[in-house]
Amino acid sequence: GQQVMQIPQYQHVQEGEDFTTYCNSSTTLSNIQWYKQRPGGHPVFLIQLVKSGEVKKQKRLTFQFGEAKKNSSLHITATQTTDVGTYFCAGPRGNNRLAFGKGNQVVVIP
Amino acid sequence: DTAVSQTPKYLVTQMGNDKSIKCEQNLGHDTMYWYKQDSKKFLKIMFSYNNKELIINETVPNRFSPKSPDKAHLNLHINSLELGDSAVYFCASSQEGQLRHEQFFGPGTRLTVL
Repeated sequence: GQQVMQIPQYQHVQEGEDFTTYCNSSTTLSNIQWYKQRPGGHPVFLIQLVKSGEVKKQKRLTFQFGEAKKNSSLHITATQTTDVGTYFCAGPRGNNRLAFGKGNQVVVIP
Repeated sequence: DTAVSQTPKYLVTQMGNDKSIKCEQNLGHDTMYWYKQDSKKFLKIMFSYNNKELIINETVPNRFSPKSPDKAHLNLHINSLELGDSAVYFCASSQEGQLRHEQFFGPGTRLTVL
């Protein structure tokens, strides 16, 4: 079935630096969602992208949906300790379900 | 006000026991889900209900039985617990099917089977 792949699976980021996490699908997606899960917490919705080539910003976070609607990225600038957590992308996967990627676990080094 | 709540938050039990996890959402959503998250953080959907009807049933052992008494509640009963059932179980809800609407997750239930 359709899956979304995330890379990298783990990242260690120095506080103050920028980083990017990627999400790829083998098939075209009608939309893609991003979630963040803090350590010990639950996934929280960040954003949904729908249009080809769409770019959305939330403060230091920039989300992008590829032109072919097969990939997406989340770029965070000036990383803060509060950015620690696991970032998931999720795409619709037939039969009315959402397929989550395996997540990118981010550790922030003070 | 808690949007999606789950009880209990922690559950420690012996192998072979039967246990239940309860979930309630006060968002007025018509679709609810159960996810299992393992130690590697992989989130896997188990079940989905829409207006009390089962619409998704992934390849889950039949020891797991969901029940939805009304569209605001989705409970999960697990029979004959096994070591491999240890995980965090998340309940979630959304307004429609998953295609266009965000999912709201509960705080999770950490199940440990000894």
